[in-house]
Amino acid sequence: DAKTTQPPSMDCAEGRAANLPCNHSTISGNEYVYWYRQIHSQGPQYIIHGLKNNETNEMASLIITEDRKSSTLILPHATLRDTAVYYCIVLNDYKLSFGAGTTVTVRA
Amino acid sequence: AAGVIQSPRHLIKEKRETATLKCYPIPRHDTVYWYQQGPGQDPQFLISFYEKMQSDKGSIPDRFSAQQFSDYHSELNMSSLELGDSALYFCASSPNTGTGSYEQYFGPGTRLTVT
Repeated sequence: DAKTTQPPSMDCAEGRAANLPCNHSTISGNEYVYWYRQIHSQGPQYIIHGLKNNETNEMASLIITEDRKSSTLILPHATLRDTAVYYCIVLNDYKLSFGAGTTVTVRA
Repeated sequence: AAGVIQSPRHLIKEKRETATLKCYPIPRHDTVYWYQQGPGQDPQFLISFYEKMQSDKGSIPDRFSAQQFSDYHSELNMSSLELGDSALYFCASSPNTGTGSYEQYFGPGTRLTVT
């Protein structure tokens, strides 16, 4: 399984963009990068995924480097409700392997 | 939009008892996944089903079994419960998009407490 590395925590000011990095240097050519988040004790929530190209949806943007060894999740205007643990996952055999994500705290 | 439904939301059992957790996927989703999240831990994959057949298996104890029924709902059966089984149990479902990407949508979870 391709491993991912994320910073354990980060703070962000409300209304500012939050940039969450993820390293996945052993990713294979056909493996997707997925981002999920979990707000305290709730079910994980799908955010976005990508293969090669940058992706954007109503929640976030995903920037994947050309060599695909790292990616950045961008929350364009963080709100207090975005406080959560964010997981970067390389999908392998359809199951999600949650590693140690990034605890993002949005401060007023 | 319809979401994944899990029941019950809370369950308290004693050691050595059995428990059954139910999951109703989003309509037209044919794949169901079960995850276990212990206190202070990250979710861990247990088992998955695609079109009523087991498709993958993770760190699921032999005391646990699961199945997916003809209406695509799934049940996780847990026997000889141990204190360490106390956890949040999440069910997720995904559609078979045929594109190689499979977003999983999670339910609210069942909190199982074993005393």
